[in-house]
Amino acid sequence: KAGVTQTPRYLIKTRGQQVTLSCSPISGHRSVSWYQQTPGQGLQFLFEYFSETQRNKGNFPGRFSGRQFSNSRSEMNVSTLELGDSALYLCASSLEDRGYGYTFGSGTRLTVV
Amino acid sequence: EDKVVQSPLSLVVHEGDTVTLNCSYEVTNFRSLLWYKQEKKAPTFLFMLTSSGIEKKSGRLSSILDKKELFSILNITATQTGDSAVYLCAVYPIQGAQKLVFGQGTRLTINP
Repeated sequence: KAGVTQTPRYLIKTRGQQVTLSCSPISGHRSVSWYQQTPGQGLQFLFEYFSETQRNKGNFPGRFSGRQFSNSRSEMNVSTLELGDSALYLCASSLEDRGYGYTFGSGTRLTVV
Repeated sequence: EDKVVQSPLSLVVHEGDTVTLNCSYEVTNFRSLLWYKQEKKAPTFLFMLTSSGIEKKSGRLSSILDKKELFSILNITATQTGDSAVYLCAVYPIQGAQKLVFGQGTRLTINP
């Protein structure tokens, strides 16, 4: 079966712009989580959606937002990009609503210049 | 705040060696501890541990959890160059935000 698909794979943006990243979970998975990975901070939790509802949010500024659609696909948006937002953004989906069996996508590499 | 600490942060060994990677955590209550292998981008699942003292094994990899001492180890025997990767440990807390709390990872390099 198809894995978690994230698009685009790579993105270069300028400071101040906004960006939208997409994640298509494994078919049947209703939980989608987003993580930011940087060399200095490691993997940091951004938010989690289950059945179109945001259940949890990490300690990130309001510039980071997301949503989930009825088909479980999810998007995250970062507005007013800063250089420090350069990172690998990973999406993970799971079947159950308590995070068991996370499957990660290959991520979107965002570079802010 | 929940915290996961991995050691060492970096390790270089020769092919055929055995390595032990460490993961300690400061989490009051957790549902499970997970190990992932990250080679290029997507972390891939290795083990999920929920009970103390029960070893999980998959080929040359094995892992065990000690809930009393709050740590887990990942062992890799007869290492191969294909084992070169970043190994991530994560804890899934019972209380608070439903999220994985990751350690910094251990970068393992296997030289031929």
